[in-house]
Amino acid sequence: EPEVTQTPSHQVTQMGQEVILRCVPISNHLYFYWYRQILGQKVEFLVSFYNNEISEKSEIFDDQFSVERPDGSNFTLKIRSTKLEDSAMYFCASSRDSYNEQFFGPGTRLTVL
Amino acid sequence: SQQGEEDPQALSIQEGENATMNCSYKTSINNLQWYRQNSGRGLVHLILIRSNEREKHSGRLRVTLDTSKKSSSLLITASRAADTASYFCATDHDRGSTLGRLYFGRGTQLTVWP
Repeated sequence: EPEVTQTPSHQVTQMGQEVILRCVPISNHLYFYWYRQILGQKVEFLVSFYNNEISEKSEIFDDQFSVERPDGSNFTLKIRSTKLEDSAMYFCASSRDSYNEQFFGPGTRLTVL
Repeated sequence: SQQGEEDPQALSIQEGENATMNCSYKTSINNLQWYRQNSGRGLVHLILIRSNEREKHSGRLRVTLDTSKKSSSLLITASRAADTASYFCATDHDRGSTLGRLYFGRGTQLTVWP
């Protein structure tokens, strides 16, 4: 069964460094999303992406964040200058359209030291 | 806010018993989805129920939706130790748009004892 994959599974970085989290959505899906979950807290929406552009972003998704679909399969989240409070599990998700199930990847645990 | 809230926060039962978890939300929706998360792992999609549906089944799962009360329930029948996980409801927000953003609750931690 097709699934969303994410790499790396765990990323440790120093504060102020740039990180790129990678996702391969399900191949026939058109909508892509990033969410994050700080330890012990709710899953929070960051951004949705459709037709090669951001369709919605939350207040968390400030200028330090960017997303890209560099080729036909990858979907990336870049954090330009990481802060301690960016430490969280980052989930990528994809869906066939915005009315249907969103399938999540296994997550990337980001630790900012 | 729109976010769903699950109830109870924690539920502890014996294998073979049924587990019922509830979710409430605040604004009108197009659909509601239930997810499961094992500790420190990814979110596994369980079931989606649309606003015009009242009940849906998938294996040992039964989901109901009452849009007049803005609430949903997830019933797991004949629970197993392997069902131990956190369960989340996630709603979209019917703003007449098709943006797909999901709002998650804090989840119910289900523990099933062998």
